[in-house]
Amino acid sequence: EVQLLESGGGLLQPGGSLRLSCAASGFTFSYFAMAWVRQAPGKGLEWVSALSGSGDSTYHAGSVKGRFTISRDNSKNTLYLQMNFLRVEDTAVYYCAKQSGQYWGSFNDWGQGTLVIVSS
Amino acid sequence: EIVLTQSPGTVSLSPGERATLSCRASQTVTGNYLAWYQQKPGQAPRFLIYGASSRATGIPDRFSGSGSGTDFTLTISRLEPEDFAVYYCQVYGSSPYTFGQGTKLEIK
Repeated sequence: EVQLLESGGGLLQPGGSLRLSCAASGFTFSYFAMAWVRQAPGKGLEWVSALSGSGDSTYHAGSVKGRFTISRDNSKNTLYLQMNFLRVEDTAVYYCAKQSGQYWGSFNDWGQGTLVIVSS
Repeated sequence: EIVLTQSPGTVSLSPGERATLSCRASQTVTGNYLAWYQQKPGQAPRFLIYGASSRATGIPDRFSGSGSGTDFTLTISRLEPEDFAVYYCQVYGSSPYTFGQGTKLEIK
């Protein structure tokens, strides 16, 4: 059974930094692309970042490009999202998701999310 | 970047009725790489449909997807109480993996 467990969320001030983690189990982690998706309170889903199974290809939404960095440690079966220069509008529940292929694909499995609140 | 527009924003139906949800893309979705997800309050999204029309593992056959090019539809043939939720479409063939704004399916 695929399990994805996010951690690292919290409350912080604008301009701050935070690193989210997503611990994966139940599948061969390095075989699959992974992604982060966020959901602001009361709003819809917004794709944030994705990267390939080997980590050699990364993609970021325009709203976070230059501020957020996605990475992975395949030896630890863990996905990361380094978030810098945080803004109030980055407040959201952040989900990690397993994609269906090694480089891209549908978001077949999701974690339960971790809440990030950016507020002064 | 493909923009996905879902309609209606909200639909009110009764259990047993048929639901038809629309997702329109601003440009052709290559390979019909379009997915549908269901989300209930306080829960993570649930993967329903990929390739516009293929059901994910364990998804009941009352859920069906159709369409190609720029116009896609999610149909729920006979609504069960647990089907009332928000539904999102998404393109996933290449970045950016855009989501539609969602359709809320509520009990009438």
